[in-house]
Amino acid sequence: DIVMTQSPDSLAVSLGERATISCRSSQSVFKNSNKPNHIAWYQQKPGQPPKLFIYWASTRESGVPDRFSGSGSGTDFSLTISSLQAEDVAVYYCQQYISIPVTFGQGTRLEIK
Amino acid sequence: EVQLVESGGGLVQPGGSLRLSCAASGFSFSSHWMHWVRQAPGKGLVWVSRITNDGTDGTGTAYADSVKGRFTISRDNAQNTLYLEMNSLRAEDTAIYYCARVSTTNWANDYWGQGTLVTVSS
Repeated sequence: DIVMTQSPDSLAVSLGERATISCRSSQSVFKNSNKPNHIAWYQQKPGQPPKLFIYWASTRESGVPDRFSGSGSGTDFSLTISSLQAEDVAVYYCQQYISIPVTFGQGTRLEIK
Repeated sequence: EVQLVESGGGLVQPGGSLRLSCAASGFSFSSHWMHWVRQAPGKGLVWVSRITNDGTDGTGTAYADSVKGRFTISRDNAQNTLYLEMNSLRAEDTAIYYCARVSTTNWANDYWGQGTLVTVSS
């Protein structure tokens, strides 16, 4: 199984500042140039289901604010919020979907400092 | 509008059974693979099972090791409904169970239901 490890477990950032969450996979999640890195990022707010934010490691889902960006390749990935807003407070999960079992990181709780 | 609505959760004793349903609407259900993902109270997301769009080929279903042999995923494309039959339930199966659609373009889970809570306790 591919193990997904996020860091940090929790993060407190001031409004307007940058927040970066890292995610490492135990194996490469790169498939080919047409379907590169099989990494997704989800946002989950209390009492709500997860919401897809990023897929293919760096492509924003429709409707996601452009202050959110994903990057990385192979085994190391990150989610960056360029200017933290109050509504971004949530838990963020990375996911690999290149192989079964699909696996998630343990989650990173993002709070306002 | 894409909608996924889970039902069938509840309180069940250890060793008991439950059948979860996920009613889909607003999209061509038969075109999409589907997943079940669970989340224990206060914990992270854990993938449970996957079914391909028709679920009938040799690799049509897949399960997490923790539920293999106890849970069965199935679908009724005529009724636009996904199912999860859960047997021999254990306390550690207590969780919110979400059904999630697999995007046909990027293979991530692009839509999720609100979830249904399963509590296994005596």
